[in-house]
Amino acid sequence: GESVGLHLPTLSVQEGDNSIINCAYSNSASDYFIWYKQESGKGPQFIIDIRSNMDKRQGQRVTVLLNKTVKHLSLQIAATQPGDSAVYFCAEKTEGAQKLVFGQGTRLTINP
Amino acid sequence: SQTIHQWPATLVQPVGSPLSLECTVEGTSNPNLYWYRQAAGRGLQLLFYSVGIGQISSEVPQNLSASRPQDRQFILSSKKLLLSDSGFYLCAWSDYTDTQYFGPGTRLTVL
Repeated sequence: GESVGLHLPTLSVQEGDNSIINCAYSNSASDYFIWYKQESGKGPQFIIDIRSNMDKRQGQRVTVLLNKTVKHLSLQIAATQPGDSAVYFCAEKTEGAQKLVFGQGTRLTINP
Repeated sequence: SQTIHQWPATLVQPVGSPLSLECTVEGTSNPNLYWYRQAAGRGLQLLFYSVGIGQISSEVPQNLSASRPQDRQFILSSKKLLLSDSGFYLCAWSDYTDTQYFGPGTRLTVL
């Protein structure tokens, strides 16, 4: 069945370094992918998304990479800041489906 | 711009009591609406979604129900709460794109 998983449940980085959060998916029919940031006690916040006809998309300090060959998605955060501390979720969706399938999340902590 | 509201923000209820959580969206018309539950330290579980007034799809069999009495209002209910219903309940909306936007959530504790 469909599943979206994360390689690491936690990630600790030094402030100022780049962070890379990885996500694997199993459904080759998935055509839409999205990353959310969730701070403690708050609802998930949209970060960036990408469709399957693209390999890379950039936002402000964030880049999402999609490798459809190995069904792998990653979120890169440049110059990580203390405010980036949160749990990051990836999610995927197949064309025509109404729902997103979420991964379990990666907790990103920033070391000063 | 679009805004999504949820209330109450927190709720403590005894086992067996009823539940009503409300979600409203502003600034858009005919949105798709979603209810999720998130257990502590876990991912999001889709409970219900709605593509229009009176149209509800259930993803997980349980003692919860959802209703959409108005275009931008989505309600999550239960007649009798269980301990296992405790969690963080999130409402989300989407338009013709696939991006879902989440509300601030309701923290429910069933004692």
